[in-house]
Amino acid sequence: DAGVTQSPTHLIKTRGQHVTLRCSPISGHKSVSWYQQVLGQGPQFIFQYYEKEERGRGNFPDRFSARQFPNYSSELNVNALLLGDSALYLCASSRSSNTGELFFGEGSRLTVL
Amino acid sequence: AQSVSQHNHHVILSEAASLELGCNYSYGGTVNLFWYVQYPGQHLQLLLKYFSGDPLVKGIKGFEAEFIKSKFSFNLRKPSVQWSDTAEYFCAVIYGGSQGNLIFGKGTKLSVKP
Repeated sequence: DAGVTQSPTHLIKTRGQHVTLRCSPISGHKSVSWYQQVLGQGPQFIFQYYEKEERGRGNFPDRFSARQFPNYSSELNVNALLLGDSALYLCASSRSSNTGELFFGEGSRLTVL
Repeated sequence: AQSVSQHNHHVILSEAASLELGCNYSYGGTVNLFWYVQYPGQHLQLLLKYFSGDPLVKGIKGFEAEFIKSKFSFNLRKPSVQWSDTAEYFCAVIYGGSQGNLIFGKGTKLSVKP
């Protein structure tokens, strides 16, 4: 079975630009979560979606948004990029919304110049 | 604020040495506890989990962890490490009612010398 897939794997943007990151969950998983991992830190929760509805939101500014599509894939959007947004963005999927048993993708490494 | 603390940033051991990685969480209510591992060049994966019941839980590859409620701790242990255990280890907690919002510690990098 295919695991969680994320695209792109690496990207470079400049301050003020917009970025869209994409995630395909494991087949049968209806929940997708997004995490930001800054170098030297653990992953930090951004969003969780389950059955296309937002189920949780972390302490991130409104520049961060996400959505989940009918096929359970998901997009994370970040507007007006700042240097501090440079990080590894992880997508994780799970069967249900209230579990910590997450299956992570390889991540999308964003560099903001 | 809800948080998770991992006491060691980098641990270096020789093969066959015993391992214990510390993890403490800040909240006294209902928690679900996890250890995740990230091997070099690989994605994060679940090592073991605690929801309820026996506070000593066993995971993959000979790892175990003990939940001590009175100490708000969930330390990871392995009696004898191998070179292949070289990885970064993350403790994570879900606090009651917070759905799938995992709160991670900063991670402990384990280097095992052959």
